[in-house]
Amino acid sequence: QSALTQPASVSGSPGQSITISCTGTSSDVGTYNLVSWYQQHPGKAPKLMIYEVSKRPSGVSNRFSGSKSGNTASLTISGLQAEDEADYYCCSYAGSNTFKIFGTGTKVTVL
Amino acid sequence: QVQLQESGPGLVKPSQTLSLTCTVSGGSISSGGYYWSWIRQHPGKGLEWLGYIYYSGTTYYNPSLKSRVTISVDTSKNQFSLNLSSVTAADTAVYHCARGSLDSNYVDYWGQGTLVTVSS
Repeated sequence: QSALTQPASVSGSPGQSITISCTGTSSDVGTYNLVSWYQQHPGKAPKLMIYEVSKRPSGVSNRFSGSKSGNTASLTISGLQAEDEADYYCCSYAGSNTFKIFGTGTKVTVL
Repeated sequence: QVQLQESGPGLVKPSQTLSLTCTVSGGSISSGGYYWSWIRQHPGKGLEWLGYIYYSGTTYYNPSLKSRVTISVDTSKNQFSLNLSSVTAADTAVYHCARGSLDSNYVDYWGQGTLVTVSS
């Protein structure tokens, strides 16, 4: 049961767009449209940003969007803002035996 | 608004059992459609799924920890609990309780988390 692979860090200037990848396998990301993304500021609990690959919970800015292609899911943040600086984690359902796998996490830095 | 709050000792000795309780407010554990989970985060590291329980008592545990993890529920108190046995320093982490959606498999409410240190 290996963690999903994310880049350790991604950075961008205010107003730019960035994309965070989340690579799994055909046993998790590639099979199930049950990928979610979480934002975590230091010392805080994670916050749900995207679920079911591309759906946004109520209250989450439409600057956040999700997609999937094959075994890789992606989170795009457009119009980057200082408040977006945080750690981001993807998570995928992986079948009834494994259930859930988190990504390794990506630190987003706003330059 | 659902709120979750972890409680329990912040310091546990090696080889002992780590015990935490999560108190849920603003919603009932017995309402269907959700599972109640424990997730931990080692200092400066990523998230690790420990397991979940449904209000009926059905449980799932992370295979890598299955032999040491027990999750239970007390619907009368609207609480669920985590026991992690035979702890070592590697179990030092922030432990979060959380609510997850059964159908869509996301976690929508998290507790703030509690740091548990394993040390003699």
